[in-house]
Amino acid sequence: EPEVTQTPSHQVTQMGQEVILRCVPISNHLYFYWYRQILGQKVEFLVSFYNNEISEKSEIFDDQFSVERPDGSNFTLKIRSTKLEDSAMYFCASSGGTANSPLHFGNGTRLTVT
Amino acid sequence: QKEVEQDPGPLSVPEGAIVSLNCTYSNSAFQYFMWYRQYSRKGPELLMYTYSSGNKEDGRFTAQVDKSSKYISLFIRDSQPSDSATYLCASLPIKAAGNKLTFGGGTRVLVKP
Repeated sequence: EPEVTQTPSHQVTQMGQEVILRCVPISNHLYFYWYRQILGQKVEFLVSFYNNEISEKSEIFDDQFSVERPDGSNFTLKIRSTKLEDSAMYFCASSGGTANSPLHFGNGTRLTVT
Repeated sequence: QKEVEQDPGPLSVPEGAIVSLNCTYSNSAFQYFMWYRQYSRKGPELLMYTYSSGNKEDGRFTAQVDKSSKYISLFIRDSQPSDSATYLCASLPIKAAGNKLTFGGGTRVLVKP
């Protein structure tokens, strides 16, 4: 069964550094997302992306965050100047042909900012 | 008021029992409902996706939606130790784009052999 893949599985970075989290969504999906989960807390929406542009973003997704689909298969989340509070699991998700199609999630990247 | 609420558990049941999970939501705009299973340090895995009020069955899983009372349920029959996980309900409004899922906090389930 097709799946969403994310790399790396664990990223450790120092405060103030930039990180790029990578995702390969399911190949025929049209909608792409990033969510995050701080340890012990809910899964939270960050951003959705469709037709090569952001369609919605949360208040968490401020200027330090950006997303890109650099080619036909990858979808990336960049965090500039990381903060301690950015430590979390970051999940990429994708969904199919309509905006209300169910989301399929990857296994996440655990980001640790020291 | 939290938009989607779940009892955090843990809910402990013996193997073979029925697991009953509940979720309430407050936003009338929510029209699509999903149940995900999440194992420790893994991503949410889609179990059920429903739109209409009523029941939807898939193998050992039954999802129930009551939009009039804003209440959704998941039942797991013949539970197995491998069903031990955190179960997340999530809701989605009808919208042209964006697809911003709102998750509950999850219910941790332990199925004891």
